[in-house]
Amino acid sequence: AQTVTQSQPEMSVQEAETVTLSCTYDTSENNYYLFWYKQPPSRQMILVIRQEAYKQQNATENRFSVNFQKAAKSFSLKISDSQLGDTAMYFCAGNYQLIWGAGTKLIIKP
Amino acid sequence: DAMVIQNPRYQVTQFGKPVTLSCSQTLNHNVMYWYQQKSSQAPKLLFHYYDKDFNNEADTPDNFQSRRPNTSFCFLDIRSPGLGDAAMYLCATSSGGRTNTQYFGPGTRLTVL
Repeated sequence: AQTVTQSQPEMSVQEAETVTLSCTYDTSENNYYLFWYKQPPSRQMILVIRQEAYKQQNATENRFSVNFQKAAKSFSLKISDSQLGDTAMYFCAGNYQLIWGAGTKLIIKP
Repeated sequence: DAMVIQNPRYQVTQFGKPVTLSCSQTLNHNVMYWYQQKSSQAPKLLFHYYDKDFNNEADTPDNFQSRRPNTSFCFLDIRSPGLGDAAMYLCATSSGGRTNTQYFGPGTRLTVL
């Protein structure tokens, strides 16, 4: 079965700390993309970062980076220098069959 | 700016009274999706259109229908809303290319009384 699993329902860290959200997946596809989406409270779902499975280099977008381990089928999101505005639900997703993880609620504390 | 627009942002309907939610896009994307999202849960895909080709998820209730009259617009019709249909409804679009990156609208919050 093709799946995306986020094992951390909720996390909280202090502002300015680094936090890592985990995601594991399973697919029989050879080429695929993985995504992290952010959904702030009562606000729009937005794309944070994406990774092509064929690329060995981990994607980065400013304070956001991924640790993509293809063999282990792991795709974690690292947020550096966390800010209050990073408080949100974070969803991991794969473009194969449009599969979504259950989400991690991240709270950044002042 | 290119975007995905959903109207209305908030919709209140009565049990059993049909309701239509609207989505439009200025991205000229081939694919449009409708998701149902309940509180703090992952979005649940209801169906999607690739151009005019309609793709229904196997577990989407018959109570939910969709129309896409042109590239820019897509509608979600709920024929007889029940209390369990109260949720956020998200519309998303993608180019349908290799990445299939989805871009979301702000959502419509549906309340069923």
